[in-house]
Amino acid sequence: EAGVTQSPTHLIKTRGQQATLRCSPISGHTSVYWYQQALGLGLQFLLWYDEGEERNRGNFPPRFSGRQFPNYSSELNVNALELEDSALYLCASSLNNEQFFGPGTRLTVL
Amino acid sequence: GQNIDQPTEMTATEGAIVQINCTYQTSGFNGLFWYQQHAGEAPTFLSYNVLDGLEEKGRFSSFLSRSKGYSYLLLKELQMKDSASYLCAPSSNTGKLIFGQGTTLQVKP
Repeated sequence: EAGVTQSPTHLIKTRGQQATLRCSPISGHTSVYWYQQALGLGLQFLLWYDEGEERNRGNFPPRFSGRQFPNYSSELNVNALELEDSALYLCASSLNNEQFFGPGTRLTVL
Repeated sequence: GQNIDQPTEMTATEGAIVQINCTYQTSGFNGLFWYQQHAGEAPTFLSYNVLDGLEEKGRFSSFLSRSKGYSYLLLKELQMKDSASYLCAPSSNTGKLIFGQGTTLQVKP
């Protein structure tokens, strides 16, 4: 069974640009979670999607947004990139309570 | 609100036993996850406790006391590959997982 996949693996952008990160959940999982892990810091909850709807979001500004598609894959969009947005962005999918993480997308903002 | 407290760093010897404690305060608590994260990699699931008590899974065991807001992860027969960060993450009925800063465990020969 394929795990959670994320693309791209690495992404380099400059300040003010926009970044789009993608996540495909494990087959049959309807929930997708996004987390940010800045260097040396813990995972910070960003967004939770379930059945195509945004269910909850963490303490991040509105320029962090996303969506979930009918096939349950998800996109995270970060607008007006700032230097401090440089981090590992992790996606996790869940069917019941257990969350399985993808390998992450490392975003670098120059 | 949410608050999670676990030691920042621990060191143990190969073959030994180590216990990583976690205390938490979480609104609408559902259960508690433990994840292992090697440097530069995604977290991998270790355990999920909903009920009070000890759950054993091979060399790893996890304990939960809901009334005390307390959990621990017990690692037996430590191996060098167990050197990693261990993340305590209570889950709430809002669907959120709130992660602690993690405990960095260094296993020495």
